[in-house]
Amino acid sequence: EVQLVESGGSLVQPGGSLKLSCVASGFTFSNYWMDWVRQTPGKSLEWIGEINTDGSKTNYAPSIKDRFTISRDNAKSTLYLQMSNVKSDDTAIYYCTRLWDYWGQGVMVTVSS
Amino acid sequence: DVVLTQTPPTLSATIGQSVSISCRSSQSLLHSNGNTYLHWLLQRPGQSPQLLIYLVSRLESGVPNRFSGSGSGTDFTLKISGVEAEDLGVYYCVQGTHAPYTFGAGTKLELK
Repeated sequence: EVQLVESGGSLVQPGGSLKLSCVASGFTFSNYWMDWVRQTPGKSLEWIGEINTDGSKTNYAPSIKDRFTISRDNAKSTLYLQMSNVKSDDTAIYYCTRLWDYWGQGVMVTVSS
Repeated sequence: DVVLTQTPPTLSATIGQSVSISCRSSQSLLHSNGNTYLHWLLQRPGQSPQLLIYLVSRLESGVPNRFSGSGSGTDFTLKISGVEAEDLGVYYCVQGTHAPYTFGAGTKLELK
């Protein structure tokens, strides 16, 4: 059974940093591009970015470029989202997804002083 | 960025009724490789999104065949032929043709 389990969400102050993890199981992680998507409270979904199978290529949404970094460790079947210089607008539920067909349960990030 | 306009924003239906949701794109979603990366998701209350339809009209494994997708270029439609109670939630279209990938604002399906 395919599973994606995010962790690392918390309350963080504006300007701070946070690293989210997404552990994958039930499929060959290294064969798939992976994405991060977020959902602000009561609103729609926003694509954050993606990473290719070996981690050599990433694409990001302009709204977070240069502040967020996506990486992966295929040996650990884990996807990461490093968030830096966070703003109140980054408050959201963050999901990892495998090409839209499988999604994690989401993890809440709250940016507030 | 590509803007996806979903209509209607809210849909009230009775059990067994057939309904359609429209998703219009600000530019063609036909990729240079010949694929059209337009997909449909359902997010039930308190749950993560789930994939229903991919590449415009392909039914995801395990999804009931009362769901169907159609369209091309900039106009796409999701149809539910006979709504069931488990279909309630918010439907999103998403495009993966042009980065940054974008989502529609969602259509909330409610029981009348």
